[in-house]
Amino acid sequence: QKEVEQNSGPLSVPEGAIASLNCTYSDRGSQSFFWYRQYSGKSPELIMFIYSNGDKEDGRFTAQLNKASQYVSLLIRDSQPSDSATYLCAGGFSNSGYALNFGKGTSLLVTP
Amino acid sequence: DTGVSQNPRHKITKRGQNVTFRCDPISEHNRLYWYRQTLGQGPEFLTYFQNEAQLEKSRLLSDRFSAERPKGSFSTLEIQRTEQGDSAMYLCASSSNRDRAYEQYFGPGTRLTVT
Repeated sequence: QKEVEQNSGPLSVPEGAIASLNCTYSDRGSQSFFWYRQYSGKSPELIMFIYSNGDKEDGRFTAQLNKASQYVSLLIRDSQPSDSATYLCAGGFSNSGYALNFGKGTSLLVTP
Repeated sequence: DTGVSQNPRHKITKRGQNVTFRCDPISEHNRLYWYRQTLGQGPEFLTYFQNEAQLEKSRLLSDRFSAERPKGSFSTLEIQRTEQGDSAMYLCASSSNRDRAYEQYFGPGTRLTVT
């Protein structure tokens, strides 16, 4: 069974702080990793994609991948109340059209 | 707005009935995915099409489930003899096979309730 594990939370951080979301995976064959944001009652929305070891930054978001440790993380700097959502980590294979294997998601609450 | 659309948005059915959902992908996206999401869980992959070819199916897709994508445009997902355990949000996503092929755009979903 290919597992993607996330702490369900909720993770509560004050406005302006750094939120750190973590994810581990069991399938060493996973090539690419994705962070999706899902607001309550809405569909998932892609916010970050990473396939190489190291860090990838996009605005206030930084994704980190460590394939040796099978660990993926997402940092959100200067957290805003509008960042309050569920964050889904997913792994995918390019040779299967990036069909995604999602974790259960971590609920993030940013308090004013 | 030319995003992914799904119909119907909500469906209530009695156990044992058949239901069919439709997904219209973003124009010219040749990859289409179906996922199922239950409360408190992440989406679970069901099946994937490239054009009209169904290239991958999850073992979650029992014999009661069938998906089609005639002519490589819209797709339908049919569930026969529905069971209460089929109650979930059924999500469709599409992506290009060229630039940013990894970026899947999700539709609003069809919420199925089996009574």
